[in-house]
Amino acid sequence: GAVVSQHPSRVICKSGTSVKIECRSLDFQATTMFWYRQFPKKSLMLMATSNEGSKATYEQGVEKDKFLINHASLTLSTLTVTSAHPEDSSFYICSAWDGPTGELFFGEGSRLTVL
Amino acid sequence: AQSVTQLGSHVSVSEGALVLLRCNYSSSVPPYLFWYVQYPNQGLQLLLKYTSAATLVKGINGFEAEFKKSETSFHLTKPSAHMSDAAEYFCAVRWYGGSQGNLIFGKGTKLSVKP
Repeated sequence: GAVVSQHPSRVICKSGTSVKIECRSLDFQATTMFWYRQFPKKSLMLMATSNEGSKATYEQGVEKDKFLINHASLTLSTLTVTSAHPEDSSFYICSAWDGPTGELFFGEGSRLTVL
Repeated sequence: AQSVTQLGSHVSVSEGALVLLRCNYSSSVPPYLFWYVQYPNQGLQLLLKYTSAATLVKGINGFEAEFKKSETSFHLTKPSAHMSDAAEYFCAVRWYGGSQGNLIFGKGTKLSVKP
């Protein structure tokens, strides 16, 4: 099946710095990708929809200035957590929509720890 | 508000025993329904999905789920549990007209398998 890769899988940063997480569709083109956040022992929460070549659509309550999303190509979307704080520590997961198959494929997730 | 309820945050079974993970949705209109599995520090893998075709859906790893409109349920079952089935399982729904990635996830059920 199709593969979606996230990088890095784990990142530790200091408070106030910015962190970029990449999401790549390895063997298909994805015009639409999605970013989720998963809190410990909680479900996934959709943060935003990333559309290639246009601005991301953010869910209610998600700070667009803190979580910058860029979808510059059909195989890459990035999530940048700006001025990270300890409360931003979480597991971030992306998914990519494979139009021809109608399938949604998930990345392996990226664990962010802000000290 | 539309929601997904997974009964039981933790289910423990013995190896070889029946696995039953419960999922109910709130909607008068049957949605698309999904079951995903998540292993520690990994993304989500699709087990199976219901898209208004057959009500009994067979998935990977011997899992299956039955859509019951009258009960608004989509419970996941496996006749004989294996140690490798130990993981977190998420039920998710997507309503007609919703974006492909706008899945509403249940809170998850952690499955433990005892030897």
